[in-house]
Amino acid sequence: EAQVTQNPRYLITVTGKKLTVTCSQNMNHEYMSWYRQDPGLGLRQIYYSMNVEVTDKGDVPEGYKVSRKEKRNFPLILESPSPNQTSLYFCASSGGVSYNEQFFGPGTRLTVL
Amino acid sequence: AQSVTQLDSQVPVFEEAPVELRCNYSSSVSVYLFWYVQYPNQGLQLLLKYLSGSTLVKGINGFEAEFNKSQTSFHLRKPSVHISDTAEYFCAVSGSSASKIIFGSGTRLSIRP
Repeated sequence: EAQVTQNPRYLITVTGKKLTVTCSQNMNHEYMSWYRQDPGLGLRQIYYSMNVEVTDKGDVPEGYKVSRKEKRNFPLILESPSPNQTSLYFCASSGGVSYNEQFFGPGTRLTVL
Repeated sequence: AQSVTQLDSQVPVFEEAPVELRCNYSSSVSVYLFWYVQYPNQGLQLLLKYLSGSTLVKGINGFEAEFNKSQTSFHLRKPSVHISDTAEYFCAVSGSSASKIIFGSGTRLSIRP
């Protein structure tokens, strides 16, 4: 089944404790992206990657890092999480004949205390 | 720069009634337009998209949208809603590349029996 997976789905952590949210897609898509969803703000892009080793900032990159060492994986790293990063995070991918349609993962709900 | 405005944050309707969710965009270049649906505790799923051609676009679950270039709108409609349509709906705009998709703030559709 074609899909985007994220882990963990739920995470509660404390300020300053480094964490990584993994994202993987099995559709051989070139493009991957991370968004955060906050009430009343819709989805805002954090980082995106056009291909392996190619990443760029989105609209709200502060406090986040990403890497794209393999085509299928695009982890999101919070080196020193803060309470304002409490949010719902989505990974998405697109490519091939569906390059203009993004496929979304199920989301990761992060709480930073 | 591109932007998307969803004029209604919440839309309550009775079951089997028609519904219209409004979306206006601004862009200085040609656009692709999308509507995504988010069911409770799930990721986003593409409802429909406008890339070119006919301005009336039909999507899944009986939804359709009409691209109106002169009014810069892309309103979503369904002639008769069902309880299962309860969800949050996001309008989105992008340019020729999927690298930059701007989402609206979302409209929560609630269906009353």
